[in-house]
Amino acid sequence: QVQLQESGPGAVKASETLSLTCSVSGGSLSGYYWAWLRQPPGKAPEWIGRIFYSGTTDYNPSFKSRVSISVDTSKNELSLKLTSPTAADTARYFCARQGLSLGYFDLWGQGILATVSS
Amino acid sequence: IVMTQFPATLSVSPGERVTLSCRASQSLNSNLAWYQQRPGHPPRLLLYAASTRPPGVPARFSGSGSATEFNLTISRLQSEDFVLYYCQQYKDWVRTFGQGTKLEIK
Repeated sequence: QVQLQESGPGAVKASETLSLTCSVSGGSLSGYYWAWLRQPPGKAPEWIGRIFYSGTTDYNPSFKSRVSISVDTSKNELSLKLTSPTAADTARYFCARQGLSLGYFDLWGQGILATVSS
Repeated sequence: IVMTQFPATLSVSPGERVTLSCRASQSLNSNLAWYQQRPGHPPRLLLYAASTRPPGVPARFSGSGSATEFNLTISRLQSEDFVLYYCQQYKDWVRTFGQGTKLEIK
């Protein structure tokens, strides 16, 4: 059974980079897109971007050039980096699986709360 | 694509049937998913392609609609159904969610 687990610092300062990792267990990264989404407290989820297991990426333009997603197939992990975070980036961050040619997310990690302070 | 869900909150009684609505700012064909979210948990996929249930989702959850108007119907509400529901479009490559509808017990 495939499981996703996010990890990383729960708190980051506005001058730093928010860095999170998603470990995938029970299955391979191959054949799927892997996405990052976030959900500010009390709000709807927001799609940040996705990566194919080969490394091809797509990002939500609302994040401009602040975000990057990478994959390490040897470790079965994907990573998210968000530069110049502000308090508005405080949210629970989720990694999720998206099937090829599909646009919905059928498997989610539990998420990790990242708080940005000044 | 902007997704609008209404109402924001619905008060209904256990055992009743309820319909949640989701509207898209442009046609999605049938590229719409519904999720259920319990407090402290990630969203759980309920329906995709507007009306298809993944394995393990109870038959009391059904979906309808196409283009810009979609509905999620829950028949015979059970206590665990009184949580948050989101719709999500995947017609556009930038995936977007509605603001959610919360079901509360009347």
